Amino acid sequence: SAVISQKPSRDICQRGTSLTIQCQVDSQVTMMFWYRQQPGQSLTLIATANQGSEATYESGFVIDKFPISRPNLTFSTLTVSNMSPEDSSIYLCSVARVSGVYTEAFFGQGTRLTVV
Amino acid sequence: AQKITQTQPGMFVQEKEAVTLDCTYDTSDPSYGLFWYKQPSSGEMIFLIYQGSYDQQNATEGRYSLNFQKARKSANLVISASQLGDSAMYFCAMRESNFGNEKLTFGTGTRLTIIP
Repeated sequence: SAVISQKPSRDICQRGTSLTIQCQVDSQVTMMFWYRQQPGQSLTLIATANQGSEATYESGFVIDKFPISRPNLTFSTLTVSNMSPEDSSIYLCSVARVSGVYTEAFFGQGTRLTVV
Repeated sequence: AQKITQTQPGMFVQEKEAVTLDCTYDTSDPSYGLFWYKQPSSGEMIFLIYQGSYDQQNATEGRYSLNFQKARKSANLVISASQLGDSAMYFCAMRESNFGNEKLTFGTGTRLTIIP
């Protein structure tokens, strides 16, 4: 399995501010994803982080609100911009070593964000 | 349309008994994969088991096995000899292709509580 370090593990932020979440993997991985889990809900894919190019966003998520960087094969960041209380969620980084038909996908420990 | 359905929002099971968590899915893609994850109260997502649509045998990993019934589009997780540490949320997910991007779609989860 991959060892994924996600920081911060939790934060309480003021509305209108931005938070950048980091995801560091112990080895090179092909695919990196960012998910959101709203309180009591399931996981929803925000975007696929592409190395060296713009992220691929899912319907309902936009780059201005959730800018993503992926400068190399072991690191990615997700920024939650201009936060509101509705952004309070767990944000999770996920990785898969193989592109396309992957059979394992691992998650970081998550970032528990509370916006006040 | 709901692609992954978990019909059991919560389950209570006596310690040492076997548990079956239900998962049905809907896809027209002949190539897909099914994953099960465990999410304890800490929030991390722990990968448990994977079943590919072309796999002839049901997947097993230690106390976890997947009862894959392709014609019925079901992929139930079986936990043998349940332990107190098995108490957690369990999510079923399907890997599907979306315009060439492989992504995971999650069910709503089942909260499993093991009773001593």
